[in-house]
Amino acid sequence: ELKVEQNPLFLSMQEGKNYTIYCNYSTTSDRLYWYRQDPGKSLESLFVLLSNGAVKQEGRLMASLDTKARLSTLHITAAVHDLSATYFCAARGNYDKVIFGPGTSLSVIP
Amino acid sequence: DTGVSQDPRHKITKRGQNVTFRCDPISEHNRLYWYRQTLGQGPEFLTYFQNEAQLEKSRLLSDRFSAERPKGSFSTLEIQRTEQGDSAMYLCASSYPRLGLQETQYFGPGTRLLVL
Repeated sequence: ELKVEQNPLFLSMQEGKNYTIYCNYSTTSDRLYWYRQDPGKSLESLFVLLSNGAVKQEGRLMASLDTKARLSTLHITAAVHDLSATYFCAARGNYDKVIFGPGTSLSVIP
Repeated sequence: DTGVSQDPRHKITKRGQNVTFRCDPISEHNRLYWYRQTLGQGPEFLTYFQNEAQLEKSRLLSDRFSAERPKGSFSTLEIQRTEQGDSAMYLCASSYPRLGLQETQYFGPGTRLLVL
């Protein structure tokens, strides 16, 4: 059964610094998603990664996928306060079930 | 198109009562998903429709939960004999898979359920 883990679960980082969130999944998946969730709000899609070596960038966020290692990363460059949120990765398993990780709560401090 | 909508946005009920939630997906989307999210956790898959067919249902979903999508458009999620452990945010998402292209799930605002 597909399981998704994220590391770290909590992250406090200073403005201007770089950091990476890691997402591991346990079985083969053909699709990896990254979402952002603000407190009390729904989920906003950030990236969909389809193939090994895929890299996508939007603003200060860059996501990559290594299907052989079953690993995706979300890299944050020069963090700003507006990036404070919870970030989820999710992987698609059998029968199109999408399994989410526990989330990484990011707090960007001055 | 205004995106995925859910109704109601909030529901407070007493234990033992039945509740029903509605989800209206983006109009051309043929896939519809229901998730449950509790505080501090990621969304937990409940069930999934392609058009009107319910293709997958979580083993975690008890018999008290049922979902329908009668005409392949809106969907309802019913919880019978609610328990306090059912208190959560219920999220609906829709998507339209295109062969060879990325598929994004668009989430609705959610229905927050509190069972007293």
